[in-house]
Amino acid sequence: EVQLVESGGGLVKPGGSLRLSCAASGFTFSSYSMNWVRQAPGKGLEWVSSISSSSSYIYYADSVKGRFTISRDNAKNSLYLQMNSLRAEDTAVYYCARVPRGGSYYNDYWGQGTLVTVSS
Amino acid sequence: SYVLTQPPSVSVAPGQTARITCGGNNIGSKSVHWYQQKPGQAPVLVVYDDSDRPSGIPERFSGSNSGNTATLTISRVEAGDEADYYCQVWDSSSDHPGGVFGGGTKLTVL
Repeated sequence: EVQLVESGGGLVKPGGSLRLSCAASGFTFSSYSMNWVRQAPGKGLEWVSSISSSSSYIYYADSVKGRFTISRDNAKNSLYLQMNSLRAEDTAVYYCARVPRGGSYYNDYWGQGTLVTVSS
Repeated sequence: SYVLTQPPSVSVAPGQTARITCGGNNIGSKSVHWYQQKPGQAPVLVVYDDSDRPSGIPERFSGSNSGNTATLTISRVEAGDEADYYCQVWDSSSDHPGGVFGGGTKLTVL
């Protein structure tokens, strides 16, 4: 059974940093691209970042570029999101999601999300 | 950047057909994917690659995509279908590729 479990969320002050983790199980993690997607309270889904299976290709939304860094450790079956210079508008539930193999870029499995609150 | 436009809300009576649109410039040339999200839950994929269904998704859910509009169609709507629905594409047309979601449509079952 595919499982994605996010952790690392919490309350942080503006300008602060946080590192999110996503533990994957039930599939060969090293063979799949992964995404981070976020959802502000009461708002829609927003794509944040993508990383290919071997970390060769990395993409960011304009809203986080230069502040967030996506990475992965295939030996540990883990995905990460380092978030720096956090702003109030970064407050959201952050989901990690798997991209299936085959060329089409969508998310077939999602974690339950971790809440990040940026507030003084 | 690429923009996807969805109606904020759609209402339908049980047993009827709901159609949720997703507009985008020449969206017919892209693969469109649809997610269902119920309150307090993570999104669930219901249609991928315009019209394919993941295993476990009822045949009542179908999709189409042509021109500037993609459509998610839910036949014989049930109370349990009440949720937010999001369309999504991967925009590789620029030098800054990335995922794009529509703003979401709240489906209300009357």
